[in-house]
Amino acid sequence: SQELEQSPQSLIVQEGKNLTINCTSSKTLYGLYWYKQKYGEGLIFLMMLQKGGEEKSHEKITAKLDEKKQQSSLHITASQPSHAGIYLCGADIGGQNFVFGPGTRLSVLP
Amino acid sequence: NAGVTQTPKFRVLKTGQSMTLLCAQDMNHEYMYWYRQDPGMGLRLIHYSVGEGTTAKGEVPDGYNVSRLKKQNFLLGLESAAPSQTSVYFCASRDPQGRAFFGQGTRLTVV
Repeated sequence: SQELEQSPQSLIVQEGKNLTINCTSSKTLYGLYWYKQKYGEGLIFLMMLQKGGEEKSHEKITAKLDEKKQQSSLHITASQPSHAGIYLCGADIGGQNFVFGPGTRLSVLP
Repeated sequence: NAGVTQTPKFRVLKTGQSMTLLCAQDMNHEYMYWYRQDPGMGLRLIHYSVGEGTTAKGEVPDGYNVSRLKKQNFLLGLESAAPSQTSVYFCASRDPQGRAFFGQGTRLTVV
């Protein structure tokens, strides 16, 4: 979707390193969702953020939505090979029109 | 727990042939979606539905039609397949909190 941008496009990190993926919108987001996709498979829901300044964590993954609700970050602490995959952010752009960013491809080297 | 089921999982079509992809969900969700995923393009929304009997166009609707005759099913049709429609197609349904649940995808090749 052109409404959502993600950076970086791809990322290669050594196991144990921290990393951050960003999702940016030109419009105010009324809900921001993070998903992970393993190669060749469907998407798995990770986290949902709805309030400006909100932060959620699950295991070693933390997601934040900025105060203006136009940018979200996904941070992985002490990355593991199991974190490898494609991370996508998704958002409603009006009327349940649910779109996704282009994705960030993460590789974790053992 | 079936969740969202797509059929078929793989299909090869000849240019000009037609086919229907079926998406079924057993979670009683109102909202359902069809996406296509292509290398470097991410997920692009084709059509979606906010309830039985309703459909709406997404980002890339041309060449596709959809129907939502029953709440649990969302069908995606290709009337005359073209090589540009070679892609992986994903169906999703959303719960009242907005979380989307995806099927495993249908890999379609048009030759």
